[in-house]
Amino acid sequence: DIQLTQSPSSLSASVGDRVTITCRASQSITSSLNWYQQKPGKAPKLLIYAASYLQSGVPSRFSGSRSGTDFTLTITSLLPEDFATYYCQQTYSALAITFGGGTKVEIK
Amino acid sequence: EVQLVESGGGLVQPGGSLRLSCAASGFTFNNYWMHWVRQTPGKGPVWVSRINSDGSSTNYADSVKGRFTISRDNAKNTLYLQMNSLRAEDTAVYYCATTYSSGFDSFDIWGQGTMVTVSS
Repeated sequence: DIQLTQSPSSLSASVGDRVTITCRASQSITSSLNWYQQKPGKAPKLLIYAASYLQSGVPSRFSGSRSGTDFTLTITSLLPEDFATYYCQQTYSALAITFGGGTKVEIK
Repeated sequence: EVQLVESGGGLVQPGGSLRLSCAASGFTFNNYWMHWVRQTPGKGPVWVSRINSDGSSTNYADSVKGRFTISRDNAKNTLYLQMNSLRAEDTAVYYCATTYSSGFDSFDIWGQGTMVTVSS
């Protein structure tokens, strides 16, 4: 299976900060990488699909990019509602979809 | 409103069986592939299974192959997951999900989840 390694596993940030989360794939997955936000007790919410496409209704402060097998989720100016756990997901291997281990964004 | 609602979770003994349901509404269910994803508290989601729009093709994660069966009833707009020979490690919240308006197999619609606990 394709492994996705997220870093950091957690971070502390303040409202207004720029936050960057990285997801590294164990092999080439082209741009088949999605990002989700999850809050406690809720299902994951799709933010970015195909590495850089903003899902409808998601604020433009969220963006995604790709460099080879490294993928980045950026939040340009953190708002209180952005404190959550973020997961990447690869769908390149459609018969073995995998998720990253998550990055918890906490309030500093 | 596009919605998925899971049901059927609960407490079951190791070796037991359980059938989960996922009721779809607000969209043409029989046009969409459907997935089951599970998540243990504090851990990342894990993909479990998928089924194509007419139910003729299914796929499973290795961890559940031979024990779980995904199916659907398009007349009832409902997805199912039959879980047999349950193990403690199957304990998780189970979500159904689909790619409704996004692309590249991303899951833009999720249910609220149903908890399955396997314990004696």
